[in-house]
Amino acid sequence: KQEVTQIPAALSVPEGENLVLNCSFTDSAIYNLQWFRQDPGKGLTSLLLIQSSQREQTSGRLNASLDKSSGRSTLYIAASQPGDSATYLCAAFGADRGSTLGRLYFGRGTQLTVWP
Amino acid sequence: GAVVSQHPSRVICKSGTSVKIECRSLDFQATTMFWYRQFPKQSLMLMATSNEGSKATYEQGVEKDKFLINHASLTLSTLTVTSAHPEDSSFYICSAYRENTGELFFGEGSRLTVL
Repeated sequence: KQEVTQIPAALSVPEGENLVLNCSFTDSAIYNLQWFRQDPGKGLTSLLLIQSSQREQTSGRLNASLDKSSGRSTLYIAASQPGDSATYLCAAFGADRGSTLGRLYFGRGTQLTVWP
Repeated sequence: GAVVSQHPSRVICKSGTSVKIECRSLDFQATTMFWYRQFPKQSLMLMATSNEGSKATYEQGVEKDKFLINHASLTLSTLTVTSAHPEDSSFYICSAYRENTGELFFGEGSRLTVL
């Protein structure tokens, strides 16, 4: 069964710092890996999706990399801002063994606080 | 704008009543939708996979008679919490799978409080 781990669980930094959030997964047989943002009491907003054949994706100040062989993904946030404060979740999308259904396996998230 | 709409965002009900939550994909057809439950400061727990025109696939430990899922059209899936009890109070989130891009889009979530 796929297990997704995120480190660190929480991060508090001053504005302007460049950040690295880590995600690891145990089963490399994934279709894609997604990073999400969740604000308190809200649903999830998709930030970046990396297909299994890709190595990285970029959107604005965000860059996500994927190394399937080592089971790792990294979300890099450049020049952090207070508005970036949220919980960041990574999720590996793949099929259970013996099943054709795809499903997302979520990490527990990294709670980020960026203070002015 | 939102591509998945979830309604209601908040609901308070009495113990023993049933509550229906709707999940709609707004600009694409979704043959597969997922229902998650999230406890405070925890990650999302997959409850079931909803497939249009067929029975939902429930995760181990999720009571299918308790959490009724209907995916009657390509843009709508519903989750009905039957005979709700206080322990069913939680944050429920749906997602819709866009096949051509492999993306999952999430609703805004529904906070259920059972008194």
